[in-house]
Amino acid sequence: DTEVTQTPKHLVMGMTNKKSLKCEQHMGHRAMYWYKQKAKKPPELMFVYSYEKLSINESVPSRFSPECPNSSLLNLHLHALQPEDSALYLCASSQVGPNIQYFGAGTRLSVL
Amino acid sequence: QKEVEQNSGPLSVPEGAIASLNCTYSDRGSQSFFWYRQYSGKSPELIMFIYSNGDKEDGRFTAQLNKASQYVSLLIRDSQPSDSATYLCAVKGGSQGNLIFGKGTKLSVKP
Repeated sequence: DTEVTQTPKHLVMGMTNKKSLKCEQHMGHRAMYWYKQKAKKPPELMFVYSYEKLSINESVPSRFSPECPNSSLLNLHLHALQPEDSALYLCASSQVGPNIQYFGAGTRLSVL
Repeated sequence: QKEVEQNSGPLSVPEGAIASLNCTYSDRGSQSFFWYRQYSGKSPELIMFIYSNGDKEDGRFTAQLNKASQYVSLLIRDSQPSDSATYLCAVKGGSQGNLIFGKGTKLSVKP
């Protein structure tokens, strides 16, 4: 089973809302990732968790707040987003190191 | 700055032909190389991965790696209209193992 599950599939939120994206995997992977993807662009790395600790933050604005409660779960908390934050948000997981990364189906986020 | 370069296309091939997708990368320390297929509005799907120099075949797909030339390619034999998608080349290296993506090549297979 190489499944990474993301919820919700679609999310519409206003600029004053607080919402969370969720990601779950049961492959025993100890590295988990958040990416942002705009139309016709490649995925852009936001955060990396390795062994449940934040190892990379690619200068992401503080209105995005990641959380890794345990080795299977990854959350992305959203607050005071801007319309330009509308994008496909992808979660991925892998074994730590230069290993295969599996992507979830993504959450399509629209900020009004 | 670690970079991965791909021709953005579109690459158009007739059904049944061989599609050849190419990718170059700048970091000589890169250790693993991936091809992802992405349909419009969907998430990337792993097609092939390769770690060693040479060819790796899986069904209609062949990945080729040349580390000396810092070049990786994907061949799709007997191309089908369902292969029409954007193909992302991705490279991983170092202890963090972060994926660095190319901008993708859009492939169109015409019936």
